[in-house]
Amino acid sequence: KQEVTQIPAALSVPEGENLVLNCSFTDSAIYNLQWFRQDPGKGLTSLLLIQSSQREQTSGRLNASLDKSSGRSTLYIAASQPGDSATYLCAVVKTGANNLFFGTGTRLTVIP
Amino acid sequence: DTGVSQDPRHKITKRGQNVTFRCDPISEHNRLYWYRQTLGQGPEFLTYFQNEAQLEKSRLLSDRFSAERPKGSFSTLEIQRTEQGDSAMYLCASSLFPDTQYFGPGTRLTVL
Repeated sequence: KQEVTQIPAALSVPEGENLVLNCSFTDSAIYNLQWFRQDPGKGLTSLLLIQSSQREQTSGRLNASLDKSSGRSTLYIAASQPGDSATYLCAVVKTGANNLFFGTGTRLTVIP
Repeated sequence: DTGVSQDPRHKITKRGQNVTFRCDPISEHNRLYWYRQTLGQGPEFLTYFQNEAQLEKSRLLSDRFSAERPKGSFSTLEIQRTEQGDSAMYLCASSLFPDTQYFGPGTRLTVL
Protein backbone atom coordinates (compact mmCIF):
# COMPACT_ATOMS: atom_id res chain seq x y z
CA LYS A 1 0.00 0.00 0.00
CA GLN A 2 1.31 3.42 -0.91
CA GLU A 3 1.99 5.68 2.06
CA VAL A 4 2.94 9.32 1.72
CA THR A 5 4.57 11.18 4.58
CA GLN A 6 5.24 14.88 4.94
CA ILE A 7 7.61 16.27 7.51
CA PRO A 8 7.41 18.63 9.31
CA ALA A 9 3.68 18.84 9.99
CA ALA A 10 4.02 22.57 10.63
CA LEU A 11 6.65 25.17 9.87
CA SER A 12 7.00 28.88 10.70
CA VAL A 13 9.52 31.08 8.96
CA PRO A 14 10.16 34.83 8.77
CA GLU A 15 9.30 36.58 5.55
CA GLY A 16 12.04 36.46 2.93
CA GLU A 17 13.49 33.12 3.94
CA ASN A 18 13.98 30.28 1.51
CA LEU A 19 12.47 27.01 2.69
CA VAL A 20 12.15 23.35 1.78
CA LEU A 21 9.16 21.08 2.35
CA ASN A 22 9.71 17.33 2.31
CA CYS A 23 7.60 14.46 1.00
CA SER A 24 8.42 10.75 1.07
CA PHE A 25 6.54 7.81 -0.39
CA THR A 26 6.94 4.10 0.25
CA ASP A 27 6.31 2.65 -3.22
CA SER A 28 8.66 4.03 -5.86
CA ALA A 29 6.50 2.70 -8.72
CA ILE A 30 4.80 6.01 -9.31
CA TYR A 31 3.40 7.59 -12.45
CA ASN A 32 3.67 11.18 -11.29
CA LEU A 33 3.80 13.39 -8.21
CA GLN A 34 1.90 16.60 -7.62
CA TRP A 35 2.29 19.39 -5.09
CA PHE A 36 -0.82 21.28 -4.01
CA ARG A 37 -1.60 24.27 -1.85
CA GLN A 38 -4.70 24.41 0.35
CA ASP A 39 -5.93 27.51 2.15
CA PRO A 40 -8.10 26.96 5.26
CA GLY A 41 -11.54 25.64 4.39
CA LYS A 42 -10.83 25.77 0.67
CA GLY A 43 -10.14 23.35 -2.17
CA LEU A 44 -6.73 22.43 -3.51
CA THR A 45 -4.69 24.49 -5.95
CA SER A 46 -2.24 22.56 -8.11
CA LEU A 47 1.28 23.98 -7.94
CA LEU A 48 3.53 21.58 -9.83
CA LEU A 49 3.32 18.15 -11.44
CA ILE A 50 6.42 16.01 -11.98
CA GLN A 51 6.22 12.98 -14.24
CA SER A 52 8.14 9.92 -13.06
CA SER A 53 10.74 10.41 -15.81
CA GLN A 54 11.48 13.98 -14.69
CA ARG A 55 13.80 15.18 -11.94
CA GLU A 56 12.35 18.63 -11.29
CA GLN A 57 9.82 21.26 -12.25
CA THR A 58 9.88 25.00 -11.68
CA SER A 59 7.18 27.64 -11.54
CA GLY A 60 8.11 31.12 -10.44
CA ARG A 61 9.50 30.97 -6.89
CA LEU A 62 8.67 27.28 -6.60
CA ASN A 63 10.90 24.36 -7.52
CA ALA A 64 9.94 20.74 -6.99
CA SER A 65 12.37 17.85 -7.25
CA LEU A 66 11.76 14.13 -7.49
CA ASP A 67 14.07 11.26 -6.59
CA LYS A 68 11.96 8.24 -7.40
CA SER A 69 14.53 5.65 -6.40
CA SER A 70 14.74 6.99 -2.85
CA GLY A 71 11.02 7.78 -2.66
CA ARG A 72 11.48 11.48 -1.99
CA SER A 73 10.35 14.83 -3.29
CA THR A 74 11.05 18.34 -2.08
CA LEU A 75 9.28 21.63 -2.69
CA TYR A 76 11.58 24.63 -2.51
CA ILE A 77 10.01 28.05 -1.98
CA ALA A 78 12.29 31.02 -2.56
CA ALA A 79 11.93 34.38 -0.84
CA SER A 80 8.84 33.39 1.14
CA GLN A 81 5.96 35.86 1.52
CA PRO A 82 3.06 36.03 4.01
CA GLY A 83 0.74 35.08 1.13
CA ASP A 84 2.53 31.73 0.92
CA SER A 85 0.99 30.77 4.27
CA ALA A 86 -1.14 27.68 3.63
CA THR A 87 -1.04 23.89 3.91
CA TYR A 88 1.10 22.21 1.26
CA LEU A 89 0.16 18.69 0.21
CA CYS A 90 2.06 16.26 -1.94
CA ALA A 91 0.36 13.38 -3.70
CA VAL A 92 1.42 10.53 -5.96
CA VAL A 93 -0.28 8.47 -8.63
CA LYS A 94 0.91 4.89 -8.46
CA THR A 95 1.82 3.12 -11.67
CA GLY A 96 -1.29 1.30 -12.86
CA ALA A 97 -3.59 3.33 -10.64
CA ASN A 98 -5.59 6.41 -11.43
CA ASN A 99 -6.09 8.27 -8.19
CA LEU A 100 -3.87 10.45 -6.04
CA PHE A 101 -2.50 9.21 -2.71
CA PHE A 102 -2.02 12.21 -0.44
CA GLY A 103 0.21 13.01 2.47
CA THR A 104 -1.19 14.81 5.50
CA GLY A 105 0.43 18.09 4.54
CA THR A 106 2.78 20.69 5.99
CA ARG A 107 1.15 23.81 7.43
CA LEU A 108 3.36 26.76 6.54
CA THR A 109 3.20 30.13 8.28
CA VAL A 110 5.28 32.99 6.92
CA ILE A 111 5.65 35.71 9.53
CA PRO A 112 5.77 39.31 8.25
CA ASP B 1 -12.11 27.84 -18.56
CA THR B 2 -14.12 28.45 -15.42
CA GLY B 3 -12.54 25.69 -13.36
CA VAL B 4 -14.21 22.90 -11.42
CA SER B 5 -17.34 23.96 -9.56
CA GLN B 6 -19.19 22.22 -6.74
CA ASP B 7 -22.61 22.78 -5.29
CA PRO B 8 -23.55 23.33 -2.55
CA ARG B 9 -20.48 24.73 -0.80
CA HIS B 10 -21.90 23.89 2.61
CA LYS B 11 -24.53 21.40 3.69
CA ILE B 12 -25.88 20.86 7.18
CA THR B 13 -28.15 17.88 7.63
CA LYS B 14 -29.59 15.72 10.35
CA ARG B 15 -28.45 12.17 10.89
CA GLY B 16 -30.39 9.74 8.75
CA GLN B 17 -31.14 12.18 5.93
CA ASN B 18 -29.94 11.70 2.36
CA VAL B 19 -27.70 14.32 0.73
CA THR B 20 -26.56 14.84 -2.86
CA PHE B 21 -23.62 16.91 -4.05
CA ARG B 22 -22.95 18.09 -7.58
CA CYS B 23 -19.65 18.59 -9.41
CA ASP B 24 -19.18 20.31 -12.76
CA PRO B 25 -15.74 19.51 -14.20
CA ILE B 26 -13.66 21.52 -16.63
CA SER B 27 -15.49 20.98 -19.90
CA GLU B 28 -12.83 19.21 -21.95
CA HIS B 29 -11.70 16.90 -19.14
CA ASN B 30 -12.57 13.25 -19.54
CA ARG B 31 -11.83 12.15 -15.99
CA LEU B 32 -13.69 13.12 -12.84
CA TYR B 33 -12.68 12.12 -9.32
CA TRP B 34 -14.31 12.32 -5.89
CA TYR B 35 -12.26 12.58 -2.70
CA ARG B 36 -13.14 13.03 0.96
CA GLN B 37 -11.06 15.07 3.39
CA THR B 38 -11.41 15.06 7.17
CA LEU B 39 -9.83 17.63 9.45
CA GLY B 40 -6.05 17.52 9.52
CA GLN B 41 -5.80 14.79 6.90
CA GLY B 42 -5.02 14.69 3.21
CA PRO B 43 -7.84 13.90 0.79
CA GLU B 44 -8.86 10.25 0.50
CA PHE B 45 -9.89 8.84 -2.88
CA LEU B 46 -13.48 7.60 -3.25
CA THR B 47 -14.23 6.96 -6.92
CA TYR B 48 -13.56 8.15 -10.44
CA PHE B 49 -15.15 8.28 -13.88
CA GLN B 50 -13.72 8.23 -17.35
CA ASN B 51 -16.37 9.92 -19.44
CA GLU B 52 -19.60 8.33 -18.18
CA ALA B 53 -18.05 5.05 -17.03
CA GLN B 54 -17.35 4.60 -13.32
CA LEU B 55 -14.07 2.69 -13.45
CA GLU B 56 -13.25 2.48 -9.77
CA LYS B 57 -15.74 2.39 -6.93
CA SER B 58 -14.27 -0.07 -4.47
CA ARG B 59 -13.02 2.81 -2.33
CA LEU B 60 -16.49 4.19 -1.70
CA LEU B 61 -16.77 4.07 2.06
CA SER B 62 -19.91 1.99 2.28
CA ASP B 63 -22.96 1.04 0.23
CA ARG B 64 -24.57 4.25 1.47
CA PHE B 65 -22.31 6.14 -0.94
CA SER B 66 -23.01 6.24 -4.66
CA ALA B 67 -21.92 8.39 -7.56
CA GLU B 68 -23.14 8.99 -11.08
CA ARG B 69 -21.93 10.86 -14.12
CA PRO B 70 -24.73 10.79 -16.68
CA LYS B 71 -23.66 11.68 -20.20
CA GLY B 72 -20.07 12.13 -19.07
CA SER B 73 -20.58 15.71 -17.97
CA PHE B 74 -21.44 16.70 -14.39
CA SER B 75 -21.35 14.18 -11.57
CA THR B 76 -23.34 13.67 -8.38
CA LEU B 77 -22.30 12.03 -5.14
CA GLU B 78 -25.12 10.80 -2.91
CA ILE B 79 -24.87 9.71 0.69
CA GLN B 80 -27.89 7.91 2.05
CA ARG B 81 -28.83 7.69 5.74
CA THR B 82 -26.08 10.07 6.77
CA GLU B 83 -24.11 9.45 9.95
CA GLN B 84 -22.09 11.88 12.05
CA GLY B 85 -18.91 10.21 10.81
CA ASP B 86 -19.77 11.37 7.29
CA SER B 87 -19.02 14.97 8.29
CA ALA B 88 -16.12 16.02 6.08
CA MET B 89 -15.13 18.07 3.04
CA TYR B 90 -16.06 16.34 -0.22
CA LEU B 91 -13.78 17.34 -3.07
CA CYS B 92 -14.21 16.84 -6.78
CA ALA B 93 -11.37 16.97 -9.31
CA SER B 94 -11.12 16.63 -13.06
CA SER B 95 -8.31 15.96 -15.49
CA LEU B 96 -7.35 15.15 -19.00
CA PHE B 97 -5.40 12.07 -17.97
CA PRO B 98 -2.46 11.80 -17.40
CA ASP B 99 -2.24 15.48 -16.69
CA THR B 100 -2.80 17.54 -13.57
CA GLN B 101 -5.92 16.97 -11.50
CA TYR B 102 -7.73 20.25 -10.90
CA PHE B 103 -9.83 20.48 -7.77
CA GLY B 104 -13.04 22.29 -7.02
CA PRO B 105 -13.71 24.32 -3.86
CA GLY B 106 -15.34 21.38 -2.10
CA THR B 107 -18.62 20.80 -0.31
CA ARG B 108 -18.41 20.85 3.47
CA LEU B 109 -20.90 18.44 5.02
CA THR B 110 -21.93 18.67 8.64
CA VAL B 111 -24.16 15.91 10.02
CA LEU B 112 -25.87 16.80 13.28
